[in-house]
Amino acid sequence: QVQLVESGGGVVQPGRSLRLSCAASGFTFSSYAMHWVRQAPGKGLEWVAVISYDGSKKYYADSVKGRFTISRDNSKKTLFLEMNSLRAEDTAVYYCAKVFPNYHDTSGYFDQWGQGTLVTVSS
Amino acid sequence: DIQLTQSPSFLSASVGDRVTITCRASQGISNYLAWYQQQPGKAPKLLIYAASTLQSGVPSRFSGSGSGTEFTLTIDSLQPEDFATYYCQQRSSYPPITFGQGTRLEIK
Repeated sequence: QVQLVESGGGVVQPGRSLRLSCAASGFTFSSYAMHWVRQAPGKGLEWVAVISYDGSKKYYADSVKGRFTISRDNSKKTLFLEMNSLRAEDTAVYYCAKVFPNYHDTSGYFDQWGQGTLVTVSS
Repeated sequence: DIQLTQSPSFLSASVGDRVTITCRASQGISNYLAWYQQQPGKAPKLLIYAASTLQSGVPSRFSGSGSGTEFTLTIDSLQPEDFATYYCQQRSSYPPITFGQGTRLEIK
């Protein structure tokens, strides 16, 4: 079955960097666009970034543009989110999510989610 | 950016009730809308996509309707496991993909 497992979260000081990973299994990872979505404590869902199946297209929310970089390694079936210049408002659970129903479409819905990894930005 | 506004933000109901949640878009999005259910401490679960298509494995008591700017999620005969937070999401005009603010459904 499809599995998405995030890792790399933790406590980090403002202005520092962190790299999140999402290990995928159970589907043809290299065929699917992938997204990151975050949720601040007690708040709603916020879309963060998307990468196309081949890594050629990347889009970001304005709130993270210029600070976060999404990437993927299809040979290792892994999605990444490099987060720089972190701010207190970046504190959230970060989910990776698989696009649905059109696997090459960078838009779409999310039919599979990881369990999330918590990032806390605090001094 | 397209804004999605859900109403109500909080809903109290009893097991067996029928409830409806509304999602309004700031501009027309055709039928490019999904609904998710999120239990506390869990990842969201896709319930409905393309406004009215039930995701595989989701009970038929869930249904969605609407097009353009107004959409509804209806749950017939609420079950104990349905008490959760519900979000709508649009994919019509992106980036960014946007979500509604959520509707928390609690047991009366």
